[in-house]
Amino acid sequence: GENVEQHPSTLSVQEGDSAVIKCTYSDSASNYFPWYKQELGKRPQLIIDIRSNVGEKKDQRIAVTLNKTAKHFSLHITETQPEDSAVYFCAASSGYKLSFGAGTTVTVRA
Amino acid sequence: ETGVTQTPRHLVMGMTNKKSLKCEQHLGHNAMYWYKQSAKKPLELMFVYSLEERVENNSVPSRFSPECPNSSHLFLHLHTLQPEDSALYLCASSQDSGQGAEQYFGPGTRLTVT
Repeated sequence: GENVEQHPSTLSVQEGDSAVIKCTYSDSASNYFPWYKQELGKRPQLIIDIRSNVGEKKDQRIAVTLNKTAKHFSLHITETQPEDSAVYFCAASSGYKLSFGAGTTVTVRA
Repeated sequence: ETGVTQTPRHLVMGMTNKKSLKCEQHLGHNAMYWYKQSAKKPLELMFVYSLEERVENNSVPSRFSPECPNSSHLFLHLHTLQPEDSALYLCASSQDSGQGAEQYFGPGTRLTVT
């Protein structure tokens, strides 16, 4: 089955700086790569996703890049704000089943 | 109510109890999922239902029994649980297109087994 590894497990950044989270996957058939944000005590919510026919996607301050050859994808958050503090999960899928990374706890210091 | 709802939000049960978790989706989706979320671990997929048929059972112990009576409702029946089953149980739904689709999560049920 698919195995998704996510790094780092924790990330502390100064407000206004950038944050980068990296994930690798094992199944070359995976073609859908979403990122979820989970604030404390709340449900995971999709913040951005990318499909295997695209190398990069951007939505305001967040962007995701995908390298199919190397089987890795990354989340970039620019100009971080306190409300970006949360746990972020990457995932990979080739159908209905999502395989999740272990999560990255991001703390934005004011 | 819109989206995915779950009840109860919190549940404390003894190891000999029987209880059920309920999930309802109002999004018109045809696939529903149960996940277990424990501290410091990835989300663990437990069961997947597509068009009311179970399509995945990820080696989950038989003390967890899912039920999907229709495409909008999903239950997780619990009996003789162990303390290590204490976790946040999340329900999700998606439109099963076979190409990967956004999963919408419910708020979860925080389960404590004493």
